[in-house]
Amino acid sequence: DAGITQSPRYKITETGRQVTLMCHQTWSHSYMFWYRQDLGHGLRLIYYSAAADITDKGEVPDGYVVSRSKTENFPLTLESATRSQTSVYFCASSDGGNQPQHFGDGTRLSIL
Amino acid sequence: AQSVTQPDIHITVSEGASLELRCNYSYGATPYLFWYVQSPGQGLQLLLKYFSGDTLVQGIKGFEAEFKRSQSSFNLRKPSVHWSDAAEYFCAAYLITGGGNKLTFGTGTQLKVEL
Repeated sequence: DAGITQSPRYKITETGRQVTLMCHQTWSHSYMFWYRQDLGHGLRLIYYSAAADITDKGEVPDGYVVSRSKTENFPLTLESATRSQTSVYFCASSDGGNQPQHFGDGTRLSIL
Repeated sequence: AQSVTQPDIHITVSEGASLELRCNYSYGATPYLFWYVQSPGQGLQLLLKYFSGDTLVQGIKGFEAEFKRSQSSFNLRKPSVHWSDAAEYFCAAYLITGGGNKLTFGTGTQLKVEL
């Protein structure tokens, strides 16, 4: 079925480790997004991508790296994880800059 | 600064009662507006959207929302709430400009339904 898939769904790691969250969509949407969701803050945009090989910073990009070599994939990497990056991470996609975004089920990341 | 405000953090209603969730935005122009619903452990699902035209928009699951320019509001309504509507609801907005593609979310309203 078409959709947007995030993996892993749950991840526990230690501070200082590198961790990569994966996002794959089958709609061929041009835009993809990464958000983090924290209590009291709602969803905050980390990075987004308008097309393959085009990425841009969102509201809270520090400590994160993204790439988009293929339209369907948009991995998010925490190069050296910190406890403040413990959160639920959501990937989303849309077929236009102002079009509705479609969300994955999220990755719950805990950093000890 | 551009912002989306959901004044109610928690709302409790009885099953069968009507529901209204409030959303206000702060922008210079009329934005594209959305309501999303999030069930526990899941991602956000689009309920409805407003781009232009008729200010009363219908969505999925029996929800509707009304855009009021004079009040900078986009409140979500449902005439009769079902227990399965218990979830968190997010209002979101895009600013219609040539640059920037950032969807701004409110902080959400947690809906509890009493049987």
